[in-house]
Amino acid sequence: DVKVTQSSRYLVKRTGEKVFLECVQDMDHENMFWYRQDPGLGLRLIYFSYDVKMKEKGDIPEGYSVSREKKERFSLILESASTNQTSMYLCASSFTGVLNEKLFFGSGTQLSVL
Amino acid sequence: AQSVAQPEDQVNVAEGNPLTVKCTYSVSGNPYLFWYVQYPNRGLQFLLKYITGDNLVKGSYGFEAEFNKSQTSFHLKKPSALVSDSALYFCAVRDKGGGNKLTFGTGTQLKVEL
Repeated sequence: DVKVTQSSRYLVKRTGEKVFLECVQDMDHENMFWYRQDPGLGLRLIYFSYDVKMKEKGDIPEGYSVSREKKERFSLILESASTNQTSMYLCASSFTGVLNEKLFFGSGTQLSVL
Repeated sequence: AQSVAQPEDQVNVAEGNPLTVKCTYSVSGNPYLFWYVQYPNRGLQFLLKYITGDNLVKGSYGFEAEFNKSQTSFHLKKPSALVSDSALYFCAVRDKGGGNKLTFGTGTQLKVEL
């Protein structure tokens, strides 16, 4: 069974802390994504990656960075956490190609920044 | 820019009745459209997609969606709702710039009652 695993289900951090959210997929997918989900706003894309060591900004990259050193792992970094980054963070992965549009999502990390 | 709109925050329907969750899109060129579902405390799961071909697309769990080019709509439907269909539903459109980057709507909470 395909699997996208996010390292933490719940995280509580303090303002100003550096926060790492980890995501691992076991499907050999080329593409990986980080979204945040907020009530009334749906899902918004933060960063994505089409290959190892490659990254591209999504719609709301400010305050975030990413790292993809290995194909299976895509990390989201909050350089200095702020209260407005309290949210549900969802990682996703997929193969490349028009016929491979299906995204596989992890269960999410609910981050609270106090 | 590509976008989708979900005009209803919540839809209530009685079990056994047909259900419709609405989505309209705004794209340049041919749209690639998707529906995803999120059950409580879970990540999103793929339901169905429209790339080309028949306007009626069949997906998982008995759901289907009707692509209507003249009305720029892609409504999700099911002939007979189940209580277990209660979940958050997201419409999405593939970004024209390539890759599998999706832009999601704000979501519609479906509540199916006995």
